[in-house]
Amino acid sequence: GNSVTQMEGPVTLSEEAFLTINCTYTATGYPSLFWYVQYPGEGLQLLLKATKADDKGSNKGFEATYRKETTSFHLEKGSVQVSDSAVYFCALRMEYGNKLVFGAGTILRVKS
Amino acid sequence: NAGVMQNPRHLVRRRGQEARLRCSPMKGHSHVYWYRQLPEEGLKFMVYLQKENIIDESGMPKERFSAEFPKEGPSILRIQQVVRGDSAAYFCASSPQVSSYNEQFFGPGTRLTVL
Repeated sequence: GNSVTQMEGPVTLSEEAFLTINCTYTATGYPSLFWYVQYPGEGLQLLLKATKADDKGSNKGFEATYRKETTSFHLEKGSVQVSDSAVYFCALRMEYGNKLVFGAGTILRVKS
Repeated sequence: NAGVMQNPRHLVRRRGQEARLRCSPMKGHSHVYWYRQLPEEGLKFMVYLQKENIIDESGMPKERFSAEFPKEGPSILRIQQVVRGDSAAYFCASSPQVSSYNEQFFGPGTRLTVL
């Protein structure tokens, strides 16, 4: 079946450090890929998305590139802030499907 | 435009009781999805509904769980005879009927605790 694997956390960084959160997927077909962020006590917010191979999604300084050859969608940010502390979820949705398939989530903690 | 609303935000039930979770989608959205997040796990799809129809319930447990999205009013996720393993955060998401169908907008969730 379709699945998403994320690097385990928590990831702890100092402010202004470079961030990478790895995400790989397994899917039969051509999924759309998403990163969602969940701040404490809140629901998920869409951070960025990419709908086809080589697309780059970007938002708020975060970027991720849809790599079909490596089935990956790694999240990066050049300089993290304390306010980026949250749980980050990688997810996929199949071309003709409706449900999102999520990874387990990665906790990010940024220290000042 | 108000976001997806869920209530209650926190719900405590004793084993054997019923839990009713409500979700009001964003205005103009007629597609509703329910997901469950067990402690320290990702979200798992439960059910997808349109007004008065269940489209995909492949993620719903076979017993005790049911969902509806009536013509009027919120979508309801109902759990009968709750057990401790039902303790989780339940998230509702909605999407519009046409266009942008790839994005689902999530509510803040209902955190169910079964004592």
